[in-house]
Amino acid sequence: SQTIHQWPATLVQPVGSPLSLECTVEGTSNPNLYWYRQAAGRGLQLLFYSVGIGQISSEVPQNLSASRPQDRQFILSSKKLLLSDSGFYLCAWRAEFKLTGRGTYEQYFGPGTRLTVT
Amino acid sequence: SQQGEEDPQALSIQEGENATMNCSYKTSINNLQWYRQNSGRGLVHLILIRSNEREKHSGRLRVTLDTSKKSSSLLITASRAADTASYFCATQETSGSRLTFGEGTQLTVNP
Repeated sequence: SQTIHQWPATLVQPVGSPLSLECTVEGTSNPNLYWYRQAAGRGLQLLFYSVGIGQISSEVPQNLSASRPQDRQFILSSKKLLLSDSGFYLCAWRAEFKLTGRGTYEQYFGPGTRLTVT
Repeated sequence: SQQGEEDPQALSIQEGENATMNCSYKTSINNLQWYRQNSGRGLVHLILIRSNEREKHSGRLRVTLDTSKKSSSLLITASRAADTASYFCATQETSGSRLTFGEGTQLTVNP
């Protein structure tokens, strides 16, 4: 079965410090991968998605970047964190919904990383 | 702007009561999905309804979809304290595979 891992679970970093969050997926190959950010009590904001190694699409201009060095590894980075980067970061992969056939997708989410920038 | 907007933002009920949450969206969709998020955790897929379906059931969950009004509702019957969580709708547009999530409804079920 497929599983998705994220680490660290929580992180407290000072303003101006670098960031690296990692997401790995097991049990599937060539998945579409996603990074979301969730502010407290809010919905999900799509930050980046990747359809393959080295292929990154950015949804919003920001202080963050993403990389996909391996098929099942997705990394979210920043060179200098801002206070506004605080939030809950979620990684997800896309699966085709078997019961309803081609073109219908659902997403499986990792446990998330709680980032607090101080 | 967000494709899906949930209503209400927060809902508090007693155990055993039914909980109804609504979602409105703006564009043509392939399907609409509902996810649940326990506090501080990732989202978990609950149920999917395709654009050509009007109602779907899964256990204590009942989802309806009205494409003419661009709206959906999620009904949780005989709620339990363990149903306390945030519930999000997500839409997959007809033109692609990306999911767009709403702002969520925070449901609290009091024992």
